[in-house]
Amino acid sequence: SQQGEEDPQALSIQEGENATMNCSYKTSINNLQWYRQNSGRGLVHLILIRSNEREKHSGRLRVTLDTSKKSSSLLITASRAADTASYFCATDHNDYKLSFGAGTTVTVRA
Amino acid sequence: EAGVAQSPRYKIIEKRQSVAFWCNPISGHATLYWYQQILGQGPKLLIQFQNNGVVDDSQLPKDRFSAERLKGVDSTLKIQPAKLEDSAVYLCASLPPGSRGPTGELFFGEGSRLTVL
Repeated sequence: SQQGEEDPQALSIQEGENATMNCSYKTSINNLQWYRQNSGRGLVHLILIRSNEREKHSGRLRVTLDTSKKSSSLLITASRAADTASYFCATDHNDYKLSFGAGTTVTVRA
Repeated sequence: EAGVAQSPRYKIIEKRQSVAFWCNPISGHATLYWYQQILGQGPKLLIQFQNNGVVDDSQLPKDRFSAERLKGVDSTLKIQPAKLEDSAVYLCASLPPGSRGPTGELFFGEGSRLTVL
């Protein structure tokens, strides 16, 4: 079953702006991961944050995790046209598999 | 390092026909997953293998779906007979070895897009 729920469902921004999307989940996690999917392609891993971490950075990506609120956010700074994609959060609930949310579709306008 | 290979990339069939998808994970990856992704939704796990054994197939519609990984390497997912609602992208993913405990990064193939008419 799908655990994570992303918000918003869709996001349109101008190139150079920041994009923020959120993920909420229902039960405790070992870690939370974010993936990107370009149209017609497979998913690509972006970043993993463990349950004992609060913030993590990777290049232009910043992920936060608030286990008390069971939520995470993904921030993409200085967006580029190439960032146009769907972004999914995935949660690991100590069962050796990931449960994915429905995703946020991000469109970056030139 | 070669990625996860899947074939065919696209398949169109009539309802009640059968179809098979093939996946070859990254060399050495013992854990293999099949996910179903319906348009506009996130991937939903169908089945998880550890080597050639099934770990979890609780969400696999066993009346029509079957999967095998006979030698613990490549895997086949079959649908017979197909229904209209099976139209989706079937994604294969693998997990690097030594990933006991919290699940690490999954490596996905490009997917097999199925259209059932």
